[in-house]
Amino acid sequence: NAGVTQTPKFQVLKTGQSMTLQCAQDMNHNSMYWYRQDPGMGLRLIYYSASEGTTDKGEVPNGYNVSRLNKREFSLRLESAAPSQTSVYFCATRGSGGTANTEAFFGQGTRLTVV
Amino acid sequence: DAKTTQPNSMESNEEEPVHLPCNHSTISGTDYIHWYRQLPSQGPEYVIHGLTSNVNNRMASLAIAEDRKSSTLILHRATLRDAAVYYCILSLWDSNYQLIWGAGTKLIIKP
Repeated sequence: NAGVTQTPKFQVLKTGQSMTLQCAQDMNHNSMYWYRQDPGMGLRLIYYSASEGTTDKGEVPNGYNVSRLNKREFSLRLESAAPSQTSVYFCATRGSGGTANTEAFFGQGTRLTVV
Repeated sequence: DAKTTQPNSMESNEEEPVHLPCNHSTISGTDYIHWYRQLPSQGPEYVIHGLTSNVNNRMASLAIAEDRKSSTLILHRATLRDAAVYYCILSLWDSNYQLIWGAGTKLIIKP
């Protein structure tokens, strides 16, 4: 039972390159989330998916796209990376439709540097 | 808008109780109070959550003020492994129950 698995763990991109961050969960949860965390700050929501087939923008969606491939997988794509997207990215899941009374489970993060 | 206010850092001695405060004066009746912690170079980890009543689990206790405008996370006997950033978060009904994160409290445990 791996929980929430993110790949890759580390990545260095050149400005303008594209890449996809992968997230997979084996907890049978409906809701999945992508956050970014900049140094010394809390997490900021990029996109979320309340259920398979739906996605919604969070607080900081510009420059990102997402795909909810199936119930298990939620990917985050950077089409043209910029240095401002240097950050640590976390994927999370939440059960039972993501209601307020459920806890979130997080992956170990992807450390992305854009040069 | 984080909706919660926490001290930037706190220090405590090992094997002593720790009380981490949080103010959330704009909380609404349907907002849950969540606490997570993040150890260095790791993803956040769930600690506890509650609505109105005090809550206990194997990790900690959550004391919620009667007016719900503040809460306190209690670690009953801190160890060096409890050194982390602790986040007090509201799960907001009007934001589809999203967790809105602030900067948290860095807890330093002195041996």
